Amino acid sequence: GAGVSQSPSNKVTEKGKDVELRCDPISGHTALYWYRQSLGQGLEFLIYFQGNSAPDKSGLPSDRFSAERTGGSVSTLTIQRTQQEDSAVYLCASSSSGTDNYGYTFGSGTRLTVV
Amino acid sequence: GDSVTQMEGPVTLSEEAFLTINCTYTATGYPSLFWYVQYPGEGLQLLLKATKADDKGSNKGFEATYRKETTSFHLEKGSVQVSDSAVYFCAFTGFQKLVFGTGTRLLVSP
Repeated sequence: GAGVSQSPSNKVTEKGKDVELRCDPISGHTALYWYRQSLGQGLEFLIYFQGNSAPDKSGLPSDRFSAERTGGSVSTLTIQRTQQEDSAVYLCASSSSGTDNYGYTFGSGTRLTVV
Repeated sequence: GDSVTQMEGPVTLSEEAFLTINCTYTATGYPSLFWYVQYPGEGLQLLLKATKADDKGSNKGFEATYRKETTSFHLEKGSVQVSDSAVYFCAFTGFQKLVFGTGTRLLVSP
């Protein structure tokens, strides 16, 4: 598509429930990134995909967080047994392979609220 | 480790004032440097970039110069507008990912 698309834009969930966040990157972009933006915090790196594999998942905060990417395109970030501290804006970005020098294109994010 | 330090906000200015937002980084090698902007209710947008020492990135009246000797990439604008009110993030290319600062909120009043 023309830009990075994320869905849903807003999600309110009860503590303990599982949630899935979706990212549809720019067509042809092989690199995909997930970041988290908490209130008053900067952007926290979560995971990086190159194609369907994840060379760097060092930022995932706990084993409740997982992500996958299929067909070198759409990615899903799953949070199991959500906690209140998971409340944040989850941002997805994509870039052409090997061109970090050009920066990323970000989606508008999914605002997750755990109540 | 790799990190970015930005000046704390909010920065509050009157319209047409001069803006400087400081950014310094700690990185190995020679990263590319970026400023991203996040307008209220919107996603992050790339504002400008510089890929090597002494390069000057510019866009929409904003400028930043890659200073390798001081590991800095300060953002400047000569005359801010109300529409520039946003959060500004400094970033650089770390290993396989961009490393971001915590962001600086700019508030411009008429």
